[in-house]
Amino acid sequence: QEQLVESGGGVVQPGRSLRLSCATSGFTFSAYIMHWVRQAPGKGLEWVAGISFDGTKTYFADAVKGRFSISRDDSKDTLYLQMSSLRPEDSAVYYCARGRYARGDFDYWGQGTLVTVSS
Amino acid sequence: EIVVTQSPATLSVSPGERATLSCRASQGVDIYLAWYQQKPGQAPSLLIYGASNRAPGIPARFSGSGSGTDFTLTISSLHSEDSAVYYCQQYSTWPPYTFGQGTKLEIK
Repeated sequence: QEQLVESGGGVVQPGRSLRLSCATSGFTFSAYIMHWVRQAPGKGLEWVAGISFDGTKTYFADAVKGRFSISRDDSKDTLYLQMSSLRPEDSAVYYCARGRYARGDFDYWGQGTLVTVSS
Repeated sequence: EIVVTQSPATLSVSPGERATLSCRASQGVDIYLAWYQQKPGQAPSLLIYGASNRAPGIPARFSGSGSGTDFTLTISSLHSEDSAVYYCQQYSTWPPYTFGQGTKLEIK
């Protein structure tokens, strides 16, 4: 069965960096577009970034463009989110999610990892 | 950016009754709309895709309808376990993919 497991969250000071990982199993990782979605405490869902199945195209929300990067390692079936110049407003639970198609819904989600940006 | 608006913000319905949740897009998204259910402390899970298709394993009491700008999620006969926040998402025009702000469904 499809599984996505995020890791790498924690408490970080403003301006610092953090890298999140999403280890996947149970499906052909290299065939899918993958995404990161975040949810601030008590708030709704916000799409953050996506990467094409072959890693050649990346997409970002305006709120993180220029500060975050997304990558994938198909040999490890793992998705990454490199976050730099972190701000308090980046504090959220970060979920990785599988995109059914390039123009598709998100059919499987991980359990999330909490990032807190605070001094 | 396509803005997605959900109503109402909170809905309280008795077990066995029908719940109707609405989602409106600021411009037409054809049928490229999904609904997700999120229970407290859990990740979202896919309920409906393509506006009206149930995801695998989703009970038949959940149904979606609409196209263009106006969409509805209907739960025909509420169970206590349906208490959750429900989000709609458009995936017609991206980036960015955009979500509604959510409807909290409470069971009386």
